[in-house]
Amino acid sequence: SYELTQPPSVSVSPGQTASIACSGDILGYKYACWYQQKPGQSPVLVIYQYTKRPSGIPERFSGSNSGNTATLTISGTQVMDEADYYCQAWDSGTVVFGGGTKLTVL
Amino acid sequence: QVQLQESGPGLVKPSETLSLTCSVSGGSISSDIYYWSWIRRPAGKGLEWIGRFYITRTTNYNPSLKSRVTISGDTSKNQFFLKLNSVTAADTAVYYCAREVAAARGNWFDSWGQGTLLTVSS
Repeated sequence: SYELTQPPSVSVSPGQTASIACSGDILGYKYACWYQQKPGQSPVLVIYQYTKRPSGIPERFSGSNSGNTATLTISGTQVMDEADYYCQAWDSGTVVFGGGTKLTVL
Repeated sequence: QVQLQESGPGLVKPSETLSLTCSVSGGSISSDIYYWSWIRRPAGKGLEWIGRFYITRTTNYNPSLKSRVTISGDTSKNQFFLKLNSVTAADTAVYYCAREVAAARGNWFDSWGQGTLLTVSS
């Protein structure tokens, strides 16, 4: 079965740039997206089709893709960005999520 | 703006069948540009896609759960449903329903319900 791999945790200081990678076979053809989930809340879409940002998502959130790796970048990270982040792609008609990355801002 | 709301029993005994309902407002499950999915998150773990329903009554399931899952919809009530049989403690999770955009280039979940906690315990 298809798998997406993320680092379990990433730490960043407020105001710095956080990057979270997601890797998977031929991910470059699967148009990955990203979700943010804070404790006790539902996931929120922050990036889709690798680089597009839904309305209402701050400009500090951006996405990129290179080969088999998609990357979520948060520029000028704020304390409010502390959350779990998941990448997601579509494979053979099914949905696959990465294992999630806990972003700590301290 | 579409809103989704999960409802269910909260507690199910081991070996029984879990049944959840997702009520949709502000949008129609009869739309041919969206899929309607169930996703769960066990405590301390990540998101897991369970499966989806489409207006043509097409369904797709996570291969790891396929033998135990049925997803269906009722367009007259604008609701879709999840049934998961032979549950165990491993099925204890927060269950979400979500609207899935299926584009020519990728797919994504643009609207989610608030989630409902389902505990499997005797």
